[in-house]
Amino acid sequence: DVKVTQSSRYLVKRTGEKVFLECVQDMDHENMFWYRQDPGLGLRLIYFSYDVKMKEKGDIPEGYSVSREKKERFSLILESASTNQTSMYLCASKERGQPQHFGDGTRLSIL
Amino acid sequence: DQQVKQNSPSLSVQEGRISILNCDYTNSMFDYFLWYKKYPAEGPTFLISISSIKDKNEDGRFTVFLNKSAKHLSLHIVPSQPGDSAVYFCAASVGANNLFFGTGTRLTVIP
Repeated sequence: DVKVTQSSRYLVKRTGEKVFLECVQDMDHENMFWYRQDPGLGLRLIYFSYDVKMKEKGDIPEGYSVSREKKERFSLILESASTNQTSMYLCASKERGQPQHFGDGTRLSIL
Repeated sequence: DQQVKQNSPSLSVQEGRISILNCDYTNSMFDYFLWYKKYPAEGPTFLISISSIKDKNEDGRFTVFLNKSAKHLSLHIVPSQPGDSAVYFCAASVGANNLFFGTGTRLTVIP
């Protein structure tokens, strides 16, 4: 079974802080993704990566960056957190031709 | 602009009856469609998919229908069970790459 693990289930940070969200997958998947889920908006893609050190912008990359130094780990970085980045963040991974597998999410609150 | 739309935010169905969840899309290039199910405090889990070369795919109680001319997708669950109560997201992609998600439909199956 594919296991996608997000380091925190709940996180509370302050405006202006630099925030790191970590995601690890155990299936040697090449592709990894970061989404945010907001009520009435569904899941929106922030960034994705198809290989180590490779990254591509998704639909809403502003205010975020990512890091993929190792194949199994994909980090989402909020450079200077703002209240409009309060959301549920979901990480996913996939192999070519297969569906995406999601972690359980991190509910991030920015105060 | 939302390329994948789920116009019903919620649906209630009696246990044992059929649940029909609908999804519309605007991008005629989409060729791969999926349904995900999401329980509270968990990540979405893959349910069923269909490629554009088919018009129906069945997996146990779950059947997905694709009408390409209408750009419409539906998920049928029969018979519905209380454990099916969750939020259902449809998603679409071009070539099984990045997914575009709908906003979700909350299904409640009443015992």
